[in-house]
Amino acid sequence: EPEVTQTPSHQVTQMGQEVILRCVPISNHLYFYWYRQILGQKVEFLVSFYNNEISEKSEIFDDQFSVERPDGSNFTLKIRSTKLEDSAMYFCASSRDGVSGNTIYFGEGSWLTVV
Amino acid sequence: AQSVTQLDSHVSVSEGTPVLLRCNYSSSYSPSLFWYVQHPNKGLQLLLKYTSAATLVKGINGFEAEFKKSETSFHLTKPSAHMSDAAEYFCVVSAGGTSYGKLTFGQGTILTVHP
Repeated sequence: EPEVTQTPSHQVTQMGQEVILRCVPISNHLYFYWYRQILGQKVEFLVSFYNNEISEKSEIFDDQFSVERPDGSNFTLKIRSTKLEDSAMYFCASSRDGVSGNTIYFGEGSWLTVV
Repeated sequence: AQSVTQLDSHVSVSEGTPVLLRCNYSSSYSPSLFWYVQHPNKGLQLLLKYTSAATLVKGINGFEAEFKKSETSFHLTKPSAHMSDAAEYFCVVSAGGTSYGKLTFGQGTILTVHP
């Protein structure tokens, strides 16, 4: 079965540092997403991305966050100046289309710990 | 806006007995609903999805869910639990339309299976 892959699986960073989380979506998918789960809380939507631009973002996704598809395969989430409260599991996801009925596939997540 | 409530944070069953994981949703339109499973140190795997076709949805590994509009419920069941079913299960609703990939997660139910 096709997979969404994420790197790194774990990252520890100091507060104020920039972090880039990388994702390789499934190859024929066109819609890409980032979600996060703070320990003990629900999985939350951050952003959706289609046709090289953000199609929707949540109120969490403020100016410290950015997403990019730098080439034909990778999809990245950048956190510019990390805060302690950014510590969470970050999930990348992708779907072939953005319409009802499509399956949204998730990666295994990247654990980010900010110290 | 849509929301999801998983009625049990933990469910414990014996191997070979039925599983019932309860989920209620709130949505202002006809929803798309999903159940995802997360095994330890693994990503979110889709078990099944409801997208306004048959109200009884069959998924992988013998799981089923029934969409009941009158009760705004989407409970997950399995006739006979297996040790490998031990995991965390998430009930999820889509925002629909052009926001199909904007998913709202329940808080999760941890399923424990005893031998």
